[in-house]
This record gives sequence, C-alpha cells and structure tokens, in this order.
Amino acid sequence: NAGVTQTPKFQVLKTGQSMTLQCAQDMNHEYMSWYRQDPGMGLRLIHYSVGAGITDQGEVPNGYNVSRSTTEDFPLRLLSAAPSQTSVYFCASRIKMNTGELFFGEGSRLTVL
Amino acid sequence: ELKVEQNPLFLSMQEGKNYTIYCNYSTTSDRLYWYRQDPGKSLESLFVLLSNGAVKQEGRLMASLDTKARLSTLHITAAVHDLSATYFCAVGGAGSYQLTFGKGTKLSVIP
Repeated sequence: NAGVTQTPKFQVLKTGQSMTLQCAQDMNHEYMSWYRQDPGMGLRLIHYSVGAGITDQGEVPNGYNVSRSTTEDFPLRLLSAAPSQTSVYFCASRIKMNTGELFFGEGSRLTVL
Repeated sequence: ELKVEQNPLFLSMQEGKNYTIYCNYSTTSDRLYWYRQDPGKSLESLFVLLSNGAVKQEGRLMASLDTKARLSTLHITAAVHDLSATYFCAVGGAGSYQLTFGKGTKLSVIP
C-alpha cells in the first residue's frame, strides 16, 4: 500500500533551470494538491485538482504549473527556477468530499542556487 | 480570506506537565484538522473535527472544536518526550476545497 509517492526526494537546481516534481497516489483519490513548506510559514497551497482535467490555483501559484491527465498523477512543474523556490514540497491527496482526511507524501526538498 | 493563527509557536515543557495549544481562525469553517510533523518527516494526521463541540482523544492528546468561537485546542496531558514534534492545525473554509494551515507549534518535552 504505497499511498502518496513523491519523486525526487532531493534536488538541487541552478537558477533558470526547469524541473518536474512527480506525485502519484494509488488510493483513487479525486483531490490532489501541492504545498510548500518554509521555516516559520507553515504549509502554503500552490495548486490543487479535484479530478482529471481540472486544476486550480492556491495561495502561492506563481512560478509553478500543474496538470492532471490521470486520477493517479499530479506533477508540479517549475519552468524557470528561482532561489525563492527553495523549499520542501509536499503532495497530498484525499477523496473529493471536503471532510476527507488529507494524506501527505514524504516530501521533496528542492534547493535553487 | 481565511487566516489561521496558532499559539504558542514554540513550547518547551517538562515531562509530566499539561499544556494546551490554541488554533484560532478568522472565517466560517466546516472542518479542522490537527497534524503532527517530526523533523525531516511528512505530516501525520492526528484528528479530524467536523462539528461544533467535537472532542477527540488519542493517548495523551485531546482535541476540541468550538465553531462559534472559531477556536480549536489541542490539549497535552502528562507530556512525554515522544510527543516532541511540530503540531499544525489546518482549517477548511466553508464550501472551499482549500485547507489553510497555521504556522505550527514546535513542542519540546524535556525530561
């Protein structure tokens, strides 16, 4: 029972490079989301999706793109990385109903030099 | 805009003592969650509170929700070192898909 799987766990980028953080879940959850965690800031929502083909912006979407072509996968793309995007990124999923429990992946630590 | 405020942000307590962490939020909500995070790890769900007056307990932790006061509390009874972690509350705005997290309370339990 894998749950929510994120790759890579660690990544170092140079300013201006692009990359994709992968997220996959095997619980048939309609809702998937990406958060970033910075010291003293809690978790802030970047983008979320309530089903295949549907995405929406969260609190801090600038600099990030997402797509949802399947129920299982929700990749987060950084098109031109900036040092301000150095953070720990968490993917989370749940059933579509708002009162469902949110399950988190193990996190991806990204450093942009 | 939903705002979530946790206090205290840092808490150092002795083993065996009791203490409470507070989570205030600014607008109507239909759900509140408490999570635990150990250093370098992911978030672990502790409690889901869905209605006014809801109270849930697990071991030495008890969470409650007062929707009229827009306040949730996480009470720690007879703390032990294993409870040292960062605790987050997360609030869902009524009718919204989004969850807004507090900044977290870093708890250190000292022998």
